[in-house]
Amino acid sequence: NAGVTQTPKFQVLKTGQSMTLQCAQDMNHNSMYWYRQDPGMGLRLIYYSASEGTTDKGEVPNGYNVSRLNKREFSLRLESAAPSQTSVYFCASSAGTTTTDTQYFGPGTRLTVL
Amino acid sequence: QKEVEQNSGPLSVPEGAIASLNCTYSDRVSQSFFWYRQYSGKSPELIMSIYSNGDKEDGRFTAQLNKASQYVSLLIRDSQPSDSATYLCAAGEPGGFKTIFGAGTRLFVKA
Repeated sequence: NAGVTQTPKFQVLKTGQSMTLQCAQDMNHNSMYWYRQDPGMGLRLIYYSASEGTTDKGEVPNGYNVSRLNKREFSLRLESAAPSQTSVYFCASSAGTTTTDTQYFGPGTRLTVL
Repeated sequence: QKEVEQNSGPLSVPEGAIASLNCTYSDRVSQSFFWYRQYSGKSPELIMSIYSNGDKEDGRFTAQLNKASQYVSLLIRDSQPSDSATYLCAAGEPGGFKTIFGAGTRLFVKA
């Protein structure tokens, strides 16, 4: 039982390049989340998905797109990376679809945009 | 904008002491609250969740919630060097899907 996995662990991009961050969970959870974490700031929600095919914008969705391919996988795409997107990205999942549920986090992707 | 505020620290306590971490939240109707621990370079992991006013104890950890004051705290008894980490306070948006995280308090436990 791997929990929440993310790939890649590290990535360096040049401004304007695109990439997709992958996330998968094996806990049969319904909800999945993408957060970014910047120094001195809390985790900020980028996108949320309650089920396959459904997504909702979080606090900071600009510059990102997501895809909930199936119940297990939730990907985050940067179409044209900018230095302001340098951050640590965490994927998380929770069993239900309410905010009373514990969220389980993946190990994170450390992204640098030059 | 809904916020969760924490003192960034660092909070330094000697081994064996009680560490007290505090948090305030702005959304009066929040009903679910969480404390996550995050070691440097790692992902957050849940320490405690609390939903009702009062205290909730789990081993060396006690979470306290006061909804009237919009205040959440975490007490760590018999602090150990392995407790040195950043502690994130979070409040769940009722009826929605957003959990608002504070920026975290860095705790150092000195051996």
